[in-house]
Order: sequence, then C-alpha cells, then structure tokens
Amino acid sequence: EAEVAQSPRYKITEKSQAVAFWCDPISGHATLYWYRQILGQGPELLVQFQDESVVDDSQLPKDRFSAERLKGVDSTLKIQPAELGDSAMYLCASSHYRDPYEQYFGPGTRLTVT
Amino acid sequence: AQRVTQPEKLLSVFKGAPVELKCNYSYSGSPELFWYVQYSRQRLQLLLRHISRESIKGFTADLNKGETSFHLKKPFAQEEDSAMYYCALSSGGYNKLIFGAGTRLAVHP
Repeated sequence: EAEVAQSPRYKITEKSQAVAFWCDPISGHATLYWYRQILGQGPELLVQFQDESVVDDSQLPKDRFSAERLKGVDSTLKIQPAELGDSAMYLCASSHYRDPYEQYFGPGTRLTVT
Repeated sequence: AQRVTQPEKLLSVFKGAPVELKCNYSYSGSPELFWYVQYSRQRLQLLLRHISRESIKGFTADLNKGETSFHLKKPFAQEEDSAMYYCALSSGGYNKLIFGAGTRLAVHP
C-alpha cells in the first residue's frame, strides 16, 4: 500500500543552524500539507500546496521557514535559523483531489533544537 | 475565530464500557467535521466524517449544530480502541483542517 514518506525521522540541531525536512507524497496526490505538532497539541497547518503552488501559508513563519514543491511531487520544508521553540513533530500529509478531507499522513520528523 | 476544543486530555475506561469523546467547535459557516485517530506506533488516519453518517469500527459521531458539538461515541469499548483521537474542522476554500488538541483513550481489560 502506498504511503507518505518523510526523512529524516529524527533531527537534533543547535539553535541558529539550518535544518531541512523532505516529504514524498502518495503518487497521484496533488495536494501536499506540512503540519507542525507541538507536544500536547494537535497538528497545525504550516503550508498547503496544490501541485507546485502554495495555496495556504498563513501560519508559516516566513522570516525563518520556507517550503517548496518544485515539480509538484516531493517537497522540502526548511528552517533557518532554528530556534528552541521550533522543537516539535513535523508532519507531512497528502490527499487526492477527489477526496481532499482524507489526508494521508507520513510518520513525521521529530525535531529537537538545543 | 475557528477553533476545535477537546476538553479531555485522557479518557480511561474499562473494556465493554461506553465511550464518549467530546469535541466542541466554533465556526461561523457551515462546518464539516472529522475524527482522526492515531494508534500506537501508527500514522494519523481518518476515522470518520460527519457528512457520511457512517459507523466505523463501532464508532459514530453526530453533528449537533445547536450545541456546536461533534462527540465521538462507541457503546462498548475494546482494548484495541486505545489510541489518540483528534477532532478536526474544515475551514476555508482549500479544505484546510483545524485540529483539536486530542484525547487519549485508554481502554483497560
């Protein structure tokens, strides 16, 4: 069964360093989402792509976060510079245009900033 | 502001007991609501949506617009129901989901 892939699974970085996460959605899913989940909270949408275009990045801290999906397939989320408050689980999800509400989640990347 | 509130962080029941996981929302439009579930060591996945009015794994949820609630219910809990449950609200034109903080359901033998 096809699944959303993410790497790395765990990342420890020092504050002020740059960090990047990668996501490969399920083949054929045009919509890709990046969520941040802080411990004890639910996922919060950071950015949503429709193919290669950003359709919602209202909660993305654009001074330090960036996201791209150049060919409309896989995607990269970058943080530069990382801050202590960025420690969280970063989840990627994808959905098919026929059923946008059934989002398929990846395993996540747990980021720890020291 | 659109918001989803799950008042209980943990719900602990015995096997065979009824379960109700509470979810309240605030939304100015006509809401679409969902329950997502995450079992231990598994990924977050869709459990059910209000519009389909179906029962999944014995769970049902009814949208009550008057009380702005979408509680998840099951008459007889099973140990395999132990998981983290998130209520979510669809907001905006691009099907954005707003999640609650989640409730951990622990079903004891």
